[in-house]
Amino acid sequence: DIVMTQTPLSLSVTPGQPASISCKSSQSLLDSDGKTYLYWYLQKPGQSPQILIYEVSKRFSGVPERFSGSGSGTDFTLKISRVEADDVGIYYCMQSRELPLTFGGGTKVEIK
Amino acid sequence: EVQLLESGGDLVQPGGSLRLSCAASGFTFSSYEMNWVRQAPGKGLEWVSTISGGGSNTYYADSVKGRFTISRDNSKNTIYLQMNSLRAEDTAVYYCAKRDGRIFDYWGQGTLVTVSS
Repeated sequence: DIVMTQTPLSLSVTPGQPASISCKSSQSLLDSDGKTYLYWYLQKPGQSPQILIYEVSKRFSGVPERFSGSGSGTDFTLKISRVEADDVGIYYCMQSRELPLTFGGGTKVEIK
Repeated sequence: EVQLLESGGDLVQPGGSLRLSCAASGFTFSSYEMNWVRQAPGKGLEWVSTISGGGSNTYYADSVKGRFTISRDNSKNTIYLQMNSLRAEDTAVYYCAKRDGRIFDYWGQGTLVTVSS
């Protein structure tokens, strides 16, 4: 199974400041079709997860531009350029290169 | 508007069975893979099972293989998760999720399964 490791476990950010979350996979997520199947989800308090980023860096419909994803192979990063109060929650990376689909342990983002 | 509504969660004794349902609307149901993802209390997300649009292909996490069965009824726009031989570690909120390509693009609100004596 592909193991997804996120750091840090938690993050406390002043509104307007940037935030960055790292995700490392135990195997390359680059598939033979040339795509890299790394996703970012946000689970806001009391809600279901919602997709933010797919295939490393593509923002899902309706996701604000302050969210960006980068990386390749086994190392990935989610960045929030200017954190807002609405961004609190737990962020998960997930790989969809192969079954079983696996998630990172999550990074809790709080506002200072 | 896409909607996914799970039901069937309950308190069940270890070794017992339960069937979850997820009723979908707002999209061409038979064209999409559907999934179950669970979240134990205070824990992260765990993929459980996937079923293809036509229902002929199913996939399971090792932790539930042989005990859980995913199915779908495209005439009712509904998927199911039959859970047998339940264990305490199966206690979780179970989410139904639509998959577009490889993206879980829509999730239900979840249904709570508690396995306890």
